[in-house]
Amino acid sequence: EVQLVESGGGLVQPGGSLRLSCAASGFSVSGYWVHWVRRAPGKGLVWVSHINADGSSATYMDSVKGRFTISRDDGENTVYLQMNSLRAEDTAVYFCGRDVSYGMDVWGQGTTVIVSS
Amino acid sequence: QIAVTQEPSFSVSPGGTVTLTCGLSSASVSTNYHPSWHQHTPGRAPRTLIRSTNIRSSGVPDRFSGSILGNKAALTITGAQAEDESEYYCVFYMGGGFWVFGGGTKLTVL
Repeated sequence: EVQLVESGGGLVQPGGSLRLSCAASGFSVSGYWVHWVRRAPGKGLVWVSHINADGSSATYMDSVKGRFTISRDDGENTVYLQMNSLRAEDTAVYFCGRDVSYGMDVWGQGTTVIVSS
Repeated sequence: QIAVTQEPSFSVSPGGTVTLTCGLSSASVSTNYHPSWHQHTPGRAPRTLIRSTNIRSSGVPDRFSGSILGNKAALTITGAQAEDESEYYCVFYMGGGFWVFGGGTKLTVL
């Protein structure tokens, strides 16, 4: 079964860091673009970041640029999101999604990040 | 900055047909934006229904279809069922490695 499984979420103080993981199973993540998308409480889905197939290009939404870094380890079949200088407004469920033809087609179940003192 | 617009809410009767739309604040939607549609209920994984305007994702019932209607992307549910009550999000590829989601439409089936 093709699956993505996120992990690494948790409770962190403002200014802290977390690294989220998106582990693929049932397929090789190599060759696929991958996205991170989040949903804050009471809000809708928001695109956060994307990494291309060979990891040479990454893009970010404006509010996380310079604080978040997306990366991939195809040997581990995993994509990561390093989140630094976390703010209360980063509180959300974070989902990863596999891209096919400029759109997500397979999603994980999400991991919850809570930024609070 | 360009915004993606969706109806905040919609209601459909069981067995009925509903069309949700997704527009751009300052442009007409075309296939170049690769519109896709996703169903999401909080607490669950999002589910891709349609990608690249009108390609139904694997396992998605054929009552879901995607199209361009006028200057908007559209998701039509023909023969709505109770389990279709959920939130529906469109997303556009804006170029340069950037995507934007719409605010979502909460669909009620009653």
